[in-house]
Amino acid sequence: QKEVEQNSGPLSVPEGAIASLNCTYSDRVSQSFFWYRQYSGKSPELIMSIYSNGDKEDGRFTAQLNKASQYVSLLIRDSQPSDSATYLCAVIRNTGNQFYFGTGTSLTVIP
Amino acid sequence: SQTIHQWPATLVQPVGSPLSLECTVEGTSNPNLYWYRQAAGRGLQLLFYSVGIGQISSEVPQNLSASRPQDRQFILSSKKLLLSDSGFYLCAWSAGGANEQFFGPGTRLTVL
Repeated sequence: QKEVEQNSGPLSVPEGAIASLNCTYSDRVSQSFFWYRQYSGKSPELIMSIYSNGDKEDGRFTAQLNKASQYVSLLIRDSQPSDSATYLCAVIRNTGNQFYFGTGTSLTVIP
Repeated sequence: SQTIHQWPATLVQPVGSPLSLECTVEGTSNPNLYWYRQAAGRGLQLLFYSVGIGQISSEVPQNLSASRPQDRQFILSSKKLLLSDSGFYLCAWSAGGANEQFFGPGTRLTVL
């Protein structure tokens, strides 16, 4: 079983819609959760971090964490063509320094 | 603020040649440092990480090695490159613990 699993997509949404990206993780001792955006040919950039159950909002982005279900999601409201990228989910355990990344979900926002 | 540098940005090397990629971090001290490889269309593969000078943990046995000669310098090396070493090499740093990780701009390596 992989540490972090994401649907690879591709996920396509029309401009202005809500994009929903999902991630599950296997280890219950996972402590911190991150979402990265990676444009084609570029390095990943951090867009959200979440540490406790519930929702965390930052502009058009909302991260949601449910530790009981071992599930973390990212919602992008009012999706723009510039949001088209691969989104990587990452977790870190409270027992070490190693990050575990999912393989990413490719998102395309259609104008 | 913290910045992370990698060089070179792109590299084309023949099979069997040596490799040295360098990563430096500015604006922080005693960072955790990481080397990842991303093959075309694939996810991130953790190669090495370091929590301090001279401390290297290897995640994948292969013909690559890493060194951390200074607090904010991380070097990825190989004595003889293989075709399968082609990919996008990413260096990252974090402050340790539960803190987020930040990536450098990456080095795109093509082995011919």
